[in-house]
Amino acid sequence: DQQVKQNSPSLSVQEGRISILNCDYTNSMFDYFLWYKKYPAEGPTFLISISSIKDKNEDGRFTVFLNKSAKHLSLHIVPSQPGDSAVYFCAFIRGYNTDKLIFGTGTRLQVFP
Amino acid sequence: KAGVTQTPRYLIKTRGQQVTLSCSPISGHRSVSWYQQTPGQGLQFLFEYFSETQRNKGNFPGRFSGRQFSNSRSEMNVSTLELGDSALYLCASSFRGRAPDTQYFGPGTRLTVL
Repeated sequence: DQQVKQNSPSLSVQEGRISILNCDYTNSMFDYFLWYKKYPAEGPTFLISISSIKDKNEDGRFTVFLNKSAKHLSLHIVPSQPGDSAVYFCAFIRGYNTDKLIFGTGTRLQVFP
Repeated sequence: KAGVTQTPRYLIKTRGQQVTLSCSPISGHRSVSWYQQTPGQGLQFLFEYFSETQRNKGNFPGRFSGRQFSNSRSEMNVSTLELGDSALYLCASSFRGRAPDTQYFGPGTRLTVL
């Protein structure tokens, strides 16, 4: 069962502009929401997270928004930089007694000059 | 602080063989999780070990097994390899294996089954 969907497999954004990556989920029992970035030949790198009791979390250029009623998670990157070009995965954790990640399908972001 | 290390980085095996992958977590981390990444299924959780005990398991056949040693290093074994086992196998470590601990991933082992 596909609990998590990233409907855009790819996204192309100009340097300096905003990148918006989206993720939809079906399981309302998720408690913790994360974004990971992955470069080729490397493992995923943690970016930012948010718990289910919040609707926004900010860390530098990265902001994560959670809309629980719509079961929608998004990541905003402002301003986008060429080094942000990577595959971005949303990931979810159900419960706080585990850190088992349920990953989305990934969105390839390309930031061009 | 050294990151998560995985050996070997690349591996080629033939159908029916078995393979063992190794993961060394970040110093002080006691939880090690394994994930499989394939083009068709994406990133999927295999299992998690904490203090030498398997604490959580994903939906994979019994051919996939693992263990953790007293120094928190972990190994993953796949027996009777199938073509579909070709994938990137990722190991991740965290302090307690509980949210909101951050999981740190290694670079992965690329397994090719011929």
